[in-house]
Parts: sequence; C-alpha cells; structure tokens
Amino acid sequence: AQSVTQPDIHITVSEGASLELRCNYSYGATPYLFWYVQSPGQGLQLLLKYFSGDTLVQGIKGFEAEFKRSQSSFNLRKPSVHWSDAAEYFCAVVRGISNFGNEKLTFGTGTRLTIIP
Amino acid sequence: SQTIHQWPATLVQPVGSPLSLECTVEGTSNPNLYWYRQAAGRGLQLLFYSVGIGQISSEVPQNLSASRPQDRQFILSSKKLLLSDSGFYLCAWGRDRTSWGTEAFFGQGTRLTVV
Repeated sequence: AQSVTQPDIHITVSEGASLELRCNYSYGATPYLFWYVQSPGQGLQLLLKYFSGDTLVQGIKGFEAEFKRSQSSFNLRKPSVHWSDAAEYFCAVVRGISNFGNEKLTFGTGTRLTIIP
Repeated sequence: SQTIHQWPATLVQPVGSPLSLECTVEGTSNPNLYWYRQAAGRGLQLLFYSVGIGQISSEVPQNLSASRPQDRQFILSSKKLLLSDSGFYLCAWGRDRTSWGTEAFFGQGTRLTVV
C-alpha cells in the first residue's frame, strides 16, 4: 500500500538555525511528491513539488527538498529559519485511484515546527 | 483563474445536530473534488472524493456523507454530529497528478467544534 511517513511529530529549532524535515514514501511507481505548509488557522499552501528531472527542487520562502529514490525520501530543508516559519508541514504523494484512473493526494501525519528565539 | 470557496470558516455545533459544509470551485469544469479532515493531533485524512456529478467515493467509514449536486459543488453533511466529528475540514480540487501543485488548490478550511 502506498503511504507517506513523517517520523518527526514535533521539531523545535532556534531562529537562524538550519532545518530538515523528514519524509519517506512507499509507492510502487514514480511518485509525485509535495510539501505543504499550514500556518495556524490557515489552509494549506504549496511549498514545492517534485514530478521528475532535477532531484533538488526549490520552493517558496527559501525552502528546498531533495528526492532520493534509493532512500525513498523527500526531505525538506531550509538553511536558516525565521520565526514566521513556525507552522505545520505536510509531505504528500499522489497515488492512483484505480477505479477511475484519476489521482488523489495522500498526506503524511505532519510535523509541527516551533521556532525559539 | 481557478478559485475554490469553502464556508463557513468556523462552526460550533451541538452533539446530535445536523451539518452541512459547502465547497464550490470556479474557473474550471469537471474537477475532481475532495474532502479532507484534520483531527486534533492527527494528520490530514481523505474522507471523500468525487470525479463527477453524483459520483462519491468514501475513503473511511464514518458519521459523515458527501454529495455533488452540481459539477463544481461539493457538500459534506451529517444528520447527527458526534463529538469525534470535531476537526478542521478542507475541501480541495484537482484534475490529475500533474495538476496537484499547479491547478489544484485547497479551500481555507472549516474549523468545526462539536460541543
């Protein structure tokens, strides 16, 4: 079964420090991978996506992620976090709906990021 | 451009009362529509999806139902709310795997508190 795992439920980092949020997927075919951010009380905003090509993808707000097929991972990174980065981050993968031939997005359980001064 | 509207933003309902959350999409036709829920301390879970009018698929057994009376309208309902129905509900639309992240978007969500 296809799935997405975010092993870290909660991460705390100091402002200005580097950040890496982990995401592992289990998917039989070439995955389409995404990172979304949800700020408190807000909906989801797409940070970046990987479909194919260069395995290091750049996103908004200074985030990047690297697709590593050998490790089935798509970790999110930022070299220096800002207090405004405090939010919940979701990794997601598109998997198929076999009956209809369309796709639906499957999310990991999320990682809550806290920034300390 | 495509937009998605979801309302209400916040809702407090007593146990046993009915529920109706509405989601509409503009600027596209025949979208795939989805309802997700985020319960406290848990991730986003797909509840329902629809690939066309009157076509509803349920991902998990629950106290809720969904309907798609029009091409761009998706409604989440319950006849009698339970405490466990509390959570953050998100509507989303997409077309295919390449539309996620480009043409696909999420609504702003509805925070439902059942008391």
